[in-house]
Formats: sequence, structure tokens, C-alpha cells
Amino acid sequence: DIQMTQSPSFLSASVGDRVTITCRASQDISNYLAWYQQKPGRAPKVLIYAASTLQSGVPSRFSGSGSGTEFTLTITSLQPEDFATYYCQQLRNYPPWTFGQGTKVEV
Amino acid sequence: QVRLVESGGGLVKPGGSLRLSCATSGFTFSDYYMSWVRQAPGKGLEWVSYISSSGSYTYYADSVKGRFTISRDNAKNSLYLQMNSLRAEDTAVYFCARAYYYDRPMDNWGQGTLVTVSS
Repeated sequence: DIQMTQSPSFLSASVGDRVTITCRASQDISNYLAWYQQKPGRAPKVLIYAASTLQSGVPSRFSGSGSGTEFTLTITSLQPEDFATYYCQQLRNYPPWTFGQGTKVEV
Repeated sequence: QVRLVESGGGLVKPGGSLRLSCATSGFTFSDYYMSWVRQAPGKGLEWVSYISSSGSYTYYADSVKGRFTISRDNAKNSLYLQMNSLRAEDTAVYFCARAYYYDRPMDNWGQGTLVTVSS
């Protein structure tokens, strides 16, 4: 099974900051990676798929990059509504469809 | 408007059974692959099960294989998860989610239903 490891697990930031979250796959997954945002008590929401394609309706301050085993999610100019937990998910080799352990972005 | 609404969660004793449902609307259900994903209290997301658009193919996480059964009724636009031999570690919020294919993101999710396994 492919393991997905995110870093950091917790990130303290302020409004207006540039934030970068890293996701590493235990083997090559090409660009088969999605990023999700989850707020407390809510369902996850897809932000980015195919490593760098922005889902419709997602603000352009979110961007994704990477290929192979290392990926990043970047939020330029963090907004109050961006404080949430972010998960990566590999979509290359399945089952299982593995998620990272999550990165909580907090004040 | 795409909607996915889970139901059927609740409190059940260890060893018991529960059947979750996911009612959908606003899209052509039979075109989509459907999944169950769970989240234990205070923990991350864990994929549980996947079913193909026709229902012919199903996949399970090792943690639930042999105990859970995913199914769908395309005529009723509904997804199901039959959960047997429940354990304390199955306690979680269970989300249903859709994807256009296995290698596509889960682009719409329900609000989740809480399953608590406790004596």
C-alpha cells in the first residue's frame, strides 16, 4: 500500500501569511494527488486534483505543485476562512485510496 | 444542485449491525463511482469502501473487509453500507462521496452520519 505523509501536522499562521504544506508518497504516484480542506463539523471539500488543477469555485490563492513522490499545497495570503485541516489523497494505486494524516492550520 | 445525505447512524453494541444509507440527487447517480470514508473522533480521514458505477465492482479497506458490504440501487439513486460485527474502533462519522472514476477526486460529499459502537 502507498503511504502518504504530510508535514507539518500543525501549522501556526496569521492572516495574510503564505502557507506551504508538503505531502510525500511512499512510491511514485505521478500526478494522481488531490488536496482537501475540512472545517470542524463539516465534510471535506476538494481544492485541487491532478496535483495542480484547481477545482471549480476554489479561490486562486490556493495552488498545488509536484509530481512523483513530493507535492505541495500553497495558500498565498491566508484568509480567516482558510483556518482548517488539509488532507492529501493519492489516486494512483488502489485499493486503498490513502489519505495523509492531515495538517491543521491554526492561528 | 448536487446533494448527498447520509442516514442510519446511531449507537450500537459491539458485535451489532447497522445499515447506512446515502440518498443522492442533482446528478446522474449511475454515472458515478461512490465511496464511504470515515473519520474517528478527533482523527483523520480513512477510506472505507468503493463501488463502481454499475455496482459490479467493490473494494474494501483491510480494516472492514469481511464485515462491511457496500451496495447501491441506481434506480433509487442511493448508496448503502451494511456494517456487521461492529467494533469500538468502527466508531466514526461516516461520509459518502462521489467520484467520476477511481482515479478522480471525491468531488462531492455528504454531511456525514455518526456511528458509535459502545456497550
